[in-house]
Amino acid sequence: AQSVSQHNHHVILSEAASLELGCNYSYGGTVNLFWYVQYPGQHLQLLLKYFSGDPLVKGIKGFEAEFIKSKFSFNLRKPSVQWSDTAEYFCAVNIKAAGNKLTFGGGTRVLVKP
Amino acid sequence: ETGVTQSPTHLIKTRGQQVTLRCSSQSGHNTVSWYQQALGQGPQFIFQYYREEENGRGNFPPRFSGLQFPNYSSELNVNALELDDSALYLCASSPQKGQGSYNEQFFGPGTRLTVL
Repeated sequence: AQSVSQHNHHVILSEAASLELGCNYSYGGTVNLFWYVQYPGQHLQLLLKYFSGDPLVKGIKGFEAEFIKSKFSFNLRKPSVQWSDTAEYFCAVNIKAAGNKLTFGGGTRVLVKP
Repeated sequence: ETGVTQSPTHLIKTRGQQVTLRCSSQSGHNTVSWYQQALGQGPQFIFQYYREEENGRGNFPPRFSGLQFPNYSSELNVNALELDDSALYLCASSPQKGQGSYNEQFFGPGTRLTVL
């Protein structure tokens, strides 16, 4: 069965630091890739998505992610975080052949200290 | 445009009881997916409904069942509740235009179920 791994469960940063969250998936076929964010007390929101084309994807709030097919990875980055980026981040994969369902990683809780 | 709504917000049940959770999809969306998010974990796919039919199911036992209504709203029913069913239950709707294709899912705020 396909799986999604997020390398860090918790990350603590200071404002203006750079952020990189790792995500790897275990499926060799065609996939769609996503990063979702869950701010405290709020529902899951889509940060960015990759379907095809340029492997460097830009999302909302200054986030970007790079799809590296050979490494089965889709890491999320932000050059300079703000206190408001404190949230839980989830990587998710949709296997094209399997319809509309998403398989999520375990999440990374990010705390940005002011 | 109204987003995805879920009710109730919180629910407390005891082992062995049955529960029904409700979801109203976003306007124009005909597909509803349900996910279970246990504490400290990512959401896990339970099942999906498209045009009132189950359209895919995750690794959940038959005591997890669902319905979709003609207005595309949906219910998740869980029978014989177990302690491990305590979780946040998320509903997501999408404007799926056909089976086998992917369309962005929009998530509701969830229902927090506690089983004692």
